[in-house]
Amino acid sequence: AQSVSQHNHHVILSEAASLELGCNYSYGGTVNLFWYVQYPGQHLQLLLKYFSGDPLVKGIKGFEAEFIKSKFSFNLRKPSVQWSDTAEYFCARPLYSGGGADGLTFGKGTHLIIQP
Amino acid sequence: DTGVSQDPRHKITKRGQNVTFRCDPISEHNRLYWYRQTLGQGPEFLTYFQNEAQLEKSRLLSDRFSAERPKGSFSTLEIQRTEQGDSAMYLCASSLGRQEQFFGPGTRLTVL
Repeated sequence: AQSVSQHNHHVILSEAASLELGCNYSYGGTVNLFWYVQYPGQHLQLLLKYFSGDPLVKGIKGFEAEFIKSKFSFNLRKPSVQWSDTAEYFCARPLYSGGGADGLTFGKGTHLIIQP
Repeated sequence: DTGVSQDPRHKITKRGQNVTFRCDPISEHNRLYWYRQTLGQGPEFLTYFQNEAQLEKSRLLSDRFSAERPKGSFSTLEIQRTEQGDSAMYLCASSLGRQEQFFGPGTRLTVL
């Protein structure tokens, strides 16, 4: 089974600061990667996904992520955060090597707090 | 609301009781997934269906857990003889083929 790991479990930033959340994925299998976000009291929702092609992926709400194969990384970035970005962020990939969007395995999440 | 819905949103039960949760996916989605999430962890995959066929089951899914999707639409997840370790948020998601999974609000289970 595949896995992902997230380095930062709690991050506190001030508004307008730049954000980078780390995600590393395990070697092997088809590499399809996702970032999901869970805002307080809301459902998990997809921020962005990488299946193939351009390693720099643009998502919703100004987020982007870069797939770096040599580093097994898929870090999430945003140049200037807002108070409304306060949320839990999860990196994910398919649990088994078949790729696509079958059962996903998630990282432990990063709790991001943006201070006004 | 045309998103994924789950019922109930909260369930409190005593150890040893059976519980059943329901998930209604987005109507045209043929795939349905169940996950479990505990505090401080990401969701853990339990099982998934393509139409009415259950295609994958995690090793986490003990024989006390059973899931069905009898007509390829809604799904139920039953836990028999609940244990305190079953306390968690149970999430349902659906997708159209191998596309983005849309998640429901979850059912929070507390086993006393």
